[in-house]
Parts: sequence; C-alpha cells; structure tokens
Amino acid sequence: DTAVSQTPKYLVTQMGNDKSIKCEQNLGHDTMYWYKQDSKKFLKIMFSYNNKELIINETVPNRFSPKSPDKAHLNLHINSLELGDSAVYFCASSQVPAGRGNTIYFGEGSWLTVV
Amino acid sequence: AQKVTQAQTEISVVEKEDVTLDCVYETRDTTYYLFWYKQPPSGELVFLIRRNSFDEQNEISGRYSWNFQKSTSSFNFTITASQVVDSAVYFCALGDNYGQNFVFGPGTRLSVLP
Repeated sequence: DTAVSQTPKYLVTQMGNDKSIKCEQNLGHDTMYWYKQDSKKFLKIMFSYNNKELIINETVPNRFSPKSPDKAHLNLHINSLELGDSAVYFCASSQVPAGRGNTIYFGEGSWLTVV
Repeated sequence: AQKVTQAQTEISVVEKEDVTLDCVYETRDTTYYLFWYKQPPSGELVFLIRRNSFDEQNEISGRYSWNFQKSTSSFNFTITASQVVDSAVYFCALGDNYGQNFVFGPGTRLSVLP
C-alpha cells in the first residue's frame, strides 16, 4: 500500500485552465503538506494542514487553493494556470507538524506542465 | 532563520568509489532535527535518516554513514563503495522543535558512473 498517494502523476494542460491534484495518506498522520519543486530541484513548502486546519501558508499566489476534507486528504486546486506553474508538486504528511523529530513522508510527485 | 547549505551542486564518481555529501546548517535553536532524503531519477523523495541535535553519534546503515558534528554545524553523508543505483539528488533538511520550520537544502546531484 502506498503511504502517501497523489493523482495524477503527470498533467499537461493549457494556460488559463483550472486543475486539481489529489492527495491521500494512509499513515494516520495529522499533518499534511504541499511542496513545490522547481526545475532547479529546489523544494519549497506551499501549505501545511494540521487536522484539517491551515497552519502554514507560504507566499503563494491565491490561484492556489488547498482543501482538506479530512485529515487523510489534502487536495490542491490551481486556477488560471500559468507557464510558471510548471513544476513537480509533492504531497507529504507527518505525524504532527514536522520538526519535533517527526519525519515528513512524501508522495511520488505530480509533474505539472503548462503549455 | 534556519538555513541548510549543500555546497556541492553536482558530484560524479566512478562505481566503487567512496563519496561524501556535505551538509552545513544554521539555526539558533538548541533542539533541532536533521534529515537526509534521496530523490532517484524516478522522482520520488525517499527518507533516509533523522537525527536530533542531542545525539551526535555517527550512524551506519549498510554502505551509508552519517557524521553529525555540532561544532561545525555539519551533517555529512558518506556512501561507501558507491553503486550506479546510488545516482540521485540528495537533500539535507533541518526541522525545528516546534513544527514551524522545516527547510531543505538545495540538493546535491550524485552521478555514479559504471
């Protein structure tokens, strides 16, 4: 069983479209995250939810909206996609907010290409 | 603010060579946690190790070993007798004790040539 699973793995879409990436974790963790990895491999946190509550919201365009229907799911919706949104998006989870020695476990990534 | 530096952007070695990946961190906290992750060409991020700031014992896991030195704020990762399958981007990361800050270094791309 995949611990953190996200779909789709690959997504090619046109500028201006709206798309969603879904994420589910079966680890029983309370905290979930979205990270963005750019073409230079830099990993940057976008959002973090703890028990469905938003606890970290980095400087991200408001075209990006996370939604956590329950603590096992954290979806990412992106409106009006732009070329610069092309990246790999990683969903992740940890027992409690990371740090405190808790390891963050990552999904396999979703490769988003905006054309 | 917390910061992680991985000065080596890319390293190439020939199979069976030993290689050390450097990680230097900055934090004002006395309690913190250090991590290494591996990202193979297939793209997933794989957790390798976690170490807390009070445990300076070095760790060995098979061909992998980690050297944590608080005096130099370093948490270096050595692969002994490297193999082609070790080719990946390796990330060092630093987490605080409050769950508020978790930062990744920029990564080191390791290529192991046959």
